[in-house]
Amino acid sequence: NAGVMQNPRHLVRRRGQEARLRCSPMKGHSHVYWYRQLPEEGLKFMVYLQKENIIDESGMPKERFSAEFPKEGPSILRIQQVVRGDSAAYFCASSTTGRTHVGELFFGEGSRLTVL
Amino acid sequence: DQQVKQNSPSLSVQEGRISILNCDYTNSMFDYFLWYKKYPAEGPTFLISISSIKDKNEDGRFTVFLNKSAKHLSLHIVPSQPGDSAVYFCAASASGTYKYIFGTGTRLKVLA
Repeated sequence: NAGVMQNPRHLVRRRGQEARLRCSPMKGHSHVYWYRQLPEEGLKFMVYLQKENIIDESGMPKERFSAEFPKEGPSILRIQQVVRGDSAAYFCASSTTGRTHVGELFFGEGSRLTVL
Repeated sequence: DQQVKQNSPSLSVQEGRISILNCDYTNSMFDYFLWYKKYPAEGPTFLISISSIKDKNEDGRFTVFLNKSAKHLSLHIVPSQPGDSAVYFCAASASGTYKYIFGTGTRLKVLA
């Protein structure tokens, strides 16, 4: 049973380019979370999605960032016109339910974005 | 506004001794807490959890203590092993919500 799969593991972009990060949740999981870890900081919640729905995007920057979890295929975190401050590790997590007290989150290995 | 705080960025402990990692929170609505362990270049992995109806939960060498009045929890690792060297994150959530708030992490180094 494969875990949460994220790709690419490493991504280098120049300022102004677009970054697309993909996440395939664990089999049977329909709830996906994205977290960001800036250097020397903790994990910051960005967005929570279910299939075809964004449930909570309160942690997403207002501009340039978007996320989707289509009916078919992986969840995608998209960052347009990247800036150096977007350099971070982006972690995807999945769970069987959106209710936090029922089960823990299973994390992928992360995608490390470097903006030159 | 950091609702979950881990005030010690790092901790060094001798192999075989006890490691105590601390976590404080400010939101009184939090009632479920977890600890995650993270190795470099890997994703966090779940370690242990505790509900606010308990004040202690134990799993092998790992025990989590919760002091609701002080809004404080701690993770005890006994005995500590070199393989425990990692960054430890505490996380909290409130009933009816669907997101965990993570602390900034404590880097534990267990010396052989």
